[in-house]
Amino acid sequence: DAGVIQSPRHEVTEMGQEVTLRCKPISGHDYLFWYRQTMMRGLELLIYFNNNVPIDDSGMPEDRFSAKMPNASFSTLKIQPSEPRDSAVYFCASSSGLAVRYEQYFGPGTRLTVT
Amino acid sequence: AQKVTQAQTEISVVEKEDVTLDCVYETRDTTYYLFWYKQPPSGELVFLIRRNSFDEQNEISGRYSWNFQKSTSSFNFTITASQVVDSAVYFCALSETSTGTASKLTFGTGTRLQVTL
Repeated sequence: DAGVIQSPRHEVTEMGQEVTLRCKPISGHDYLFWYRQTMMRGLELLIYFNNNVPIDDSGMPEDRFSAKMPNASFSTLKIQPSEPRDSAVYFCASSSGLAVRYEQYFGPGTRLTVT
Repeated sequence: AQKVTQAQTEISVVEKEDVTLDCVYETRDTTYYLFWYKQPPSGELVFLIRRNSFDEQNEISGRYSWNFQKSTSSFNFTITASQVVDSAVYFCALSETSTGTASKLTFGTGTRLQVTL
């Protein structure tokens, strides 16, 4: 079975540019999560979706960040305009909300560098 | 608010030594879930175990074992006879249920384990 797929794996961009990160969750999972990992702040939840609907975006750092989930098999996280402090590894994770299955399965991450 | 503390920032052991990674959590929920994830040098996060708050039985999986004690709010992870391949950052995480069926994971800051020959 394919796991969570993220693209690109690495992204280097200049300050001010728009960046779009992509995620394909595990088929059948109805929850999708976006996390950011930095040395300073560790792993932080940015936003999560249930059945394609955003449930909690309180972790999104500012209006420059936006996330969408147009269908059950695709989500994007967009940063516009990007800033050097956005440099981090961005993880997408998915899980099934069925009875006792609470594990989140993570993608390989996208390492973003903003110069 | 929920909180996970991993006081050990970094641990170094020699191969074949046993090592225990500590995890202490705080929550007001009576029903919650605890997790351990492994992040090897390649960067991905690998799920290791999930434990719910009503199940205090210790669990063993090969060289890995977990000790859950509600009385001390701890969920410690022991690797027996460590191997170089165990070198990674290990994260403990907590999920409360009060916000829904698959609520947010709160991660600890991680413990970096270095196993040398």
